[in-house]
Amino acid sequence: EPEVTQTPSHQVTQMGQEVILRCVPISNHLYFYWYRQILGQKVEFLVSFYNNEISEKSEIFDDQFSVERPDGSNFTLKIRSTKLEDSAMYFCASKRGGDTGELFFGEGSRLTVL
Amino acid sequence: AQSVTQLDSHVSVSEGTPVLLRCNYSSSYSPSLFWYVQHPNKGLQLLLKYTSAATLVKGINGFEAEFKKSETSFHLTKPSAHMSDAAEYFCVVSGVTGGGNKLTFGTGTQLKVEL
Repeated sequence: EPEVTQTPSHQVTQMGQEVILRCVPISNHLYFYWYRQILGQKVEFLVSFYNNEISEKSEIFDDQFSVERPDGSNFTLKIRSTKLEDSAMYFCASKRGGDTGELFFGEGSRLTVL
Repeated sequence: AQSVTQLDSHVSVSEGTPVLLRCNYSSSYSPSLFWYVQHPNKGLQLLLKYTSAATLVKGINGFEAEFKKSETSFHLTKPSAHMSDAAEYFCVVSGVTGGGNKLTFGTGTQLKVEL
């Protein structure tokens, strides 16, 4: 069964360092998303991506964040200069299309900023 | 604007007894509603979804949920809990936006199943 895969599963970084989280969405999907979950808090929407551009982003997704689909298969989330409060589980998701289509989530990348 | 409220942060049941996880929603549109489950150190798995078809929705692993518009509720139930059901459950509402659909998650309900 096709699935969304994310790497790394866990990354530890120093404050101020750049981090890239990688995702391989399901191959025939057209919509891509990043969500995050700070420990003990709810899952929060970060950004949606369609047709090679950001279609919507939340207040959390400030200038320190960027997304890219560099090669037609990977979908990356870059945090330019990490802060302590960026420590969270980051989930990638993809959807084939349609307003009510199911989002398929990856297993998440846990980011720890020291 | 859309939101979901999960009324219980923790629910504990005995194996073999019914499960009820409560969820109320608020949405400006006719909502799509979902329940996702997250097992420890795992990703989010879709249990079931409501998308304006039948109000009683059956999902995987014996779970079901009923959409009640008059009560703005979408409670998750299962007749008989199994140890493997222990996990965190999220009620989710979907809003139709230019980006497809953006999911708004509830705060989650931790289900504990005891022998």
